Amino acid sequence: SQQGEEDPQALSIQEGENATMNCSYKTSINNLQWYRQNSGRGLVHLILIRSNEREKHSGRLRVTLDTSKKSSSLLITASRAADTASYFCATAQGAQKLVFGQGTRLTINP
Amino acid sequence: NAGVTQTPKFQVLKTGQSMTLQCAQDMNHNSMYWYRQDPGMGLRLIYYSASEGTTDKGEVPNGYNVSRLNKREFSLRLESAAPSQTSVYFCASSRPMGATNEKLFFGSGTQLSVL
Repeated sequence: SQQGEEDPQALSIQEGENATMNCSYKTSINNLQWYRQNSGRGLVHLILIRSNEREKHSGRLRVTLDTSKKSSSLLITASRAADTASYFCATAQGAQKLVFGQGTRLTINP
Repeated sequence: NAGVTQTPKFQVLKTGQSMTLQCAQDMNHNSMYWYRQDPGMGLRLIYYSASEGTTDKGEVPNGYNVSRLNKREFSLRLESAAPSQTSVYFCASSRPMGATNEKLFFGSGTQLSVL
């Protein structure tokens, strides 16, 4: 069974707008990670937020984590066409395992 | 910098055939993983190897076997392929997850079709 569930499953916005994706999970975690997957390619790590952190920034990315609600959000500001991809959250449950959600498919329209 | 290399990139099998997917990493990582990706299912862990000489089952191990040949290489074998194993397979590696909560580095995937 999947640990993380992304919402929405698909998102289409205009270039320059902000994109927000959400991830919910079920059990306690060590950390939560976000990955990007371009069509036909492998996943690329974007950002990691630890369970004792509430917010983290990396360039145009902002991730929040609310452990009381078991949820996280990924905000991409000032979107570009190159941001078109699928985005996955993944939760680290104990040692050695990352469990991925089903992903959000983001389309940036020019 | 090669990172994680998977071969082959594409493969078509007939039901009952066997094959081995190869994976190698050049980052001196201890941990390696095999995932499968199906539409609407995200990535599911098949097997992982925390360190050279050890392997453990993931979420969906049935129908697969793995070998951690050395620190660099981790192969996935389908002994008797079934149509349900049609999927995209990804190999990944990391430094020990439990120690430092490291990120995964992924290969570019193998698209497998079983007819």
